[in-house]
Amino acid sequence: DAKTTQPTSMDCAEGRAANLPCNHSTISGNEYVYWYRQIHSQGPQYIIHGLKNNETNEMASLIITEDRKSSTLILPHATLRDTAVYYCIVRVTNSGYALNFGKGTSLLVTP
Amino acid sequence: GAVVSQHPSWVICKSGTSVKIECRSLDFQATTMFWYRQFPKQSLMLMATSNEGSKATYEQGVEKDKFLINHASLTLSTLTVTSAHPEDSSFYICSATEGSGSNEQFFGPGTRLTVL
Repeated sequence: DAKTTQPTSMDCAEGRAANLPCNHSTISGNEYVYWYRQIHSQGPQYIIHGLKNNETNEMASLIITEDRKSSTLILPHATLRDTAVYYCIVRVTNSGYALNFGKGTSLLVTP
Repeated sequence: GAVVSQHPSWVICKSGTSVKIECRSLDFQATTMFWYRQFPKQSLMLMATSNEGSKATYEQGVEKDKFLINHASLTLSTLTVTSAHPEDSSFYICSATEGSGSNEQFFGPGTRLTVL
């Protein structure tokens, strides 16, 4: 799996959009960008994934640059419950292998 | 979405005892289950990959005789920490895949192990 780079931590005011960046400059053509998050003392939770088109679901939006070397996860209206560590993972879907969690970004949503 | 449960959610044991952690897929058959370990303020680290009916594959540095994994059915995998020591205190998380083609992983809520 290609390596990813994320900022260690970010703050966001409640109600504002949280934009979490991820660099994956060595991504290959058949690798997807996945985002998971882990709230303190819980198991990871799947958020969204994409290949090259922007994706949106009920939790978040994923914006992938045209060259696919970076992406941004957007939480449109952050709440206090969105405080968590967010992991950007690049992998070949259907690979059946374990997820390689990096250090992620610790997002703190403040009142 | 698919649900994975773990039991117990937390356990405290004395040094030298063994602890068993269960991971169950509640509404799907899991051909593959993964066991991760997470120390405080660190990321998840893969310990082993477990396929139903076969021996688990352990990551480098993980002692297979200390961390016994059994995946006897398509809905249950167990991790037994044998002769636990305080350095084994950690957050243990399992995940499961259906193996039906998507291979998406669904995570359990984790088990907090504290060894006194």
